[in-house]
Amino acid sequence: QQQVKQSPQSLIVQKGGISIINCAYENTAFDYFPWYQQFPGKGPALLIAIRPDVSEKKEGRFTISFNKSAKQFSLHIMDSQPGDSATYFCAASIYGGSNYKLTFGKGTLLTVNP
Amino acid sequence: NAGVTQTPKFQVLKTGQSMTLQCAQDMNHEYMSWYRQDPGMGLRLIHYSVGAGITDQGEVPNGYNVSRSTTEDFPLRLLSAAPSQTSVYFCASSYSHRGMGQTYNEQFFGPGTRLTVL
Repeated sequence: QQQVKQSPQSLIVQKGGISIINCAYENTAFDYFPWYQQFPGKGPALLIAIRPDVSEKKEGRFTISFNKSAKQFSLHIMDSQPGDSATYFCAASIYGGSNYKLTFGKGTLLTVNP
Repeated sequence: NAGVTQTPKFQVLKTGQSMTLQCAQDMNHEYMSWYRQDPGMGLRLIHYSVGAGITDQGEVPNGYNVSRSTTEDFPLRLLSAAPSQTSVYFCASSYSHRGMGQTYNEQFFGPGTRLTVL
C-alpha cells in the first residue's frame, strides 16, 4: 500500500516558469510533510516542510500548499532555474515522537531548460 | 562537522556474501535511519534507531541487520546478499527541535553507498 502518491514522475519546465509537483496521502495520522531535494550522486536534503495547521508555507521561490480535507499537498517552484534541476521527494510522517520515520513518495525528476 | 558519512561509496558483492555498510554522524543526533533507494520506488525505510541500544524495523527490513552501540555509529549488515538488494543505500540522522512553539524534525542524509549484488 503506497501511503504517499507523488506526481508527475518527471517534469520539464523552461527557465523562469513555475514547477508544480503534487502529492496525496492516505494516512490521516500524518501531520508533518517535508519536501526533499536530491541532486545526482548526492543524498536528499530537506528543502521545506509544513504542518497541517497552516495551508501554505513559503521560503524564497519555494512554496508548499496544503489541503487537509483533500489530503493533498504540493510544491511550487516559482521562477524555476536550471540549478533547480533535481529529483524532488515529498514525504510524510506522524508527528510527536516518531516523525523520524518518513514515508516518501516515489520522486519527481525536474529538468529546467535554460 | 563532517555531518553523516558513509563507507564505502561503491561495493560489488556476489550472491551469498555478507558485508557491513558503515554510517557515522558527528552531530550528536539521537535518531538514525537506513533507507534504500531504487529507481521509481522513492526511499524506503529499512531500519531505524531512536538511541544507542534501541533499534526497530522499518518498511523493508528482511535481509538486513542493524545495531547501535554508540550514538555516532549505525552500521547496516547484509547477512547473505541477494541480487534484490542491489540498490543505493542512504543513512540519515535526525533530531527534534522546538521553534515557534512547534517541534520539528529534519533528517540529514549521507552521500549514499551504491551496492551491486551479482
